[in-house]
Amino acid sequence: EAQVTQNPRYLITVTGKKLTVTCSQNMNHEYMSWYRQDPGLGLRQIYYSMNVEVTDKGDVPEGYKVSRKEKRNFPLILESPSPNQTSLYFCASCARTGSYEQYFGPGTRLTVT
Amino acid sequence: KQEVTQIPAALSVPEGENLVLNCSFTDSAIYNLQWFRQDPGKGLTSLLLIQSSQREQTSGRLNASLDKSSGRSTLYIAASQPGDSATYLCAVRPLSSGNTGKLIFGQGTTLQVKP
Repeated sequence: EAQVTQNPRYLITVTGKKLTVTCSQNMNHEYMSWYRQDPGLGLRQIYYSMNVEVTDKGDVPEGYKVSRKEKRNFPLILESPSPNQTSLYFCASCARTGSYEQYFGPGTRLTVT
Repeated sequence: KQEVTQIPAALSVPEGENLVLNCSFTDSAIYNLQWFRQDPGKGLTSLLLIQSSQREQTSGRLNASLDKSSGRSTLYIAASQPGDSATYLCAVRPLSSGNTGKLIFGQGTTLQVKP
């Protein structure tokens, strides 16, 4: 089954404790990205990657890092999480040819206390 | 700057009713428009994708139309069912997004279909 997976689905952590949210897709998509969803602000892009070893900032990259060492994986790293990073995070992927239909993961709900 | 608006923010209808969800965007320079469904605690499920050159797409009881020149899209749901209750999100991929592939989302319409 074609899908985007994220882990963990739920995470409660404390300020300053480094964490990584993993994202993996099995569709051989070149393009992957991360969004956060907040009430009243909607979904906003954090980082994106056009292919292996090619990443760039989206609209709200502060406080986040990413890496793309393999085509299927695109982890989101919070080096020193803060309460304002409490949010619902989504990973997405799509092919760079064809319809450009984007597929989203199930989301990771992060709470930073 | 591209902005996407969805009206109404919430909608409650009785089961069996046909309904229309609206999406408007400010800049007609788009690659495509995608409708998603979001269930509480779950991810975004892609419902329909309309390329900028297309006028509509259909999937089962769903029909999405696109009028790029006026900056509007509608999602038509026929014979609504309680299982259709969810938040529906509209997103456009602007031409200006280039290689970022960034989608600009509306705030969504939360639909409740009452038995």
